[in-house]
This record gives sequence, structure tokens and C-alpha cells, in this order.
Amino acid sequence: GQNIDQPTEMTATEGAIVQINCTYQTSGFNGLFWYQQHAGEAPTFLSYNVLDGLEEKGRFSSFLSRSKGYSYLLLKELQMKDSASYLCAVMDSNYQLIWGAGTKLIIKP
Amino acid sequence: SAVISQKPSRDICQRGTSLTIQCQVDSQVTMMFWYRQQPGQSLTLIATANQGSEATYESGFVIDKFPISRPNLTFSTLTVSNMSPEDSSIYLCSVVGTRGFSYEQYFGPGTRLTVT
Repeated sequence: GQNIDQPTEMTATEGAIVQINCTYQTSGFNGLFWYQQHAGEAPTFLSYNVLDGLEEKGRFSSFLSRSKGYSYLLLKELQMKDSASYLCAVMDSNYQLIWGAGTKLIIKP
Repeated sequence: SAVISQKPSRDICQRGTSLTIQCQVDSQVTMMFWYRQQPGQSLTLIATANQGSEATYESGFVIDKFPISRPNLTFSTLTVSNMSPEDSSIYLCSVVGTRGFSYEQYFGPGTRLTVT
């Protein structure tokens, strides 16, 4: 079956760094997405990885290892506004997105 | 990036009635998706709506309950029919765009539906 795993909740301190992991097993792979979702709002696109390696976008970076079925989202210099849920999603061979349950990130001062 | 609007933004409906949600995109897109997100849960794909063809429904969702229209490349509607309290959820319209070899998926602001 198809499966996306990510931690349910994480806590980090303002100004620190946090890494949110995502492992996946899907029928085919056409890329992995990370989204940020604040409570009561729609998800916002953060990143897309289809090749192995690290993609950096400002304070956010996303890493992919296709052989390991593994990705992580790295958030640096955490700000209180980064408190949100972070969703990992994989596009399968039919170009359908398979969604993880999301990781709720709590930032403490 | 694509800008997506949805109407209504929220509604409170009576059991047994129907609600039609509209999704408007500021550019032409081939594939549009309708998702449901119940409180505290991740997104569940209801159906994929391609212009000029019937919508493709995911397991657990049927056309009689969630009829979809896709009259052109910038607009779609989702109707939630014969509503029950279990249909209370956020309904999200989404499109996929490509930038070179990269995909980006964008979401509308969502329609918050409460069924009483």
C-alpha cells in the first residue's frame, strides 16, 4: 500500500533549527512536496523535490533521498510565525498526491 | 504562481440540503482537484476535474454525492448534496502548475462548511 509517515508533533525554540522528517512508500514517484498550513487556512506550497539532494530557499531547505524513501524539511532561525502544521506529500506514478498526516510544529519563545 | 478564489468562504447549512462551492483560477489550468480536510486531519482527495471530461472520483466518493462541473479551464464547482453533519469540513480547490521540470500545487482559501 501507499504510506507517508511524519511525526505528529514537534516543539522547538525561537531562533533554533528544526528538522521534520518524512518517509514514504508509494507506487511510483514523481516528486515530493512540502506544505505549510496555519490553523484555519489553506496549505501553502513550500518546496518540490524530484532529484536527490538538498534544495535551499531562504530559511527553509528540503532534502530528498529516493533510494531511502526519505525527505526532510529543515527550518532555520525559527520565528514564532513558523508555528504551523507541515505536510509532506508524494506525487505517485499517476500524478496523484499522497498526503502525510502533517507535523504540528510548536515554537516556544 | 496561480491565484485561486473560492465562494463561499464559509456556510452553515441544514441537514438534507445541498451547497455548491465555486472555484475560480486566474490562469488556464488543465487539472483541478477538490479536497476535503476534516478537523485535525490531513487532506483527502475527493476528485480530479479535467476540462472536457468527467471528473475522476477517489474511493469513498461518488458523483451523486459530490457532483462536479468543469465548464472551462479557469472554473469548477463542487456540490455537496444531501448534506449530513459528517460533511462538515473544509473543502479546498487546488491546481497543479509546472515550472520547467518542477511541479507546484496551489490551493484556494477553502470553504468552511458546517452542517447542522
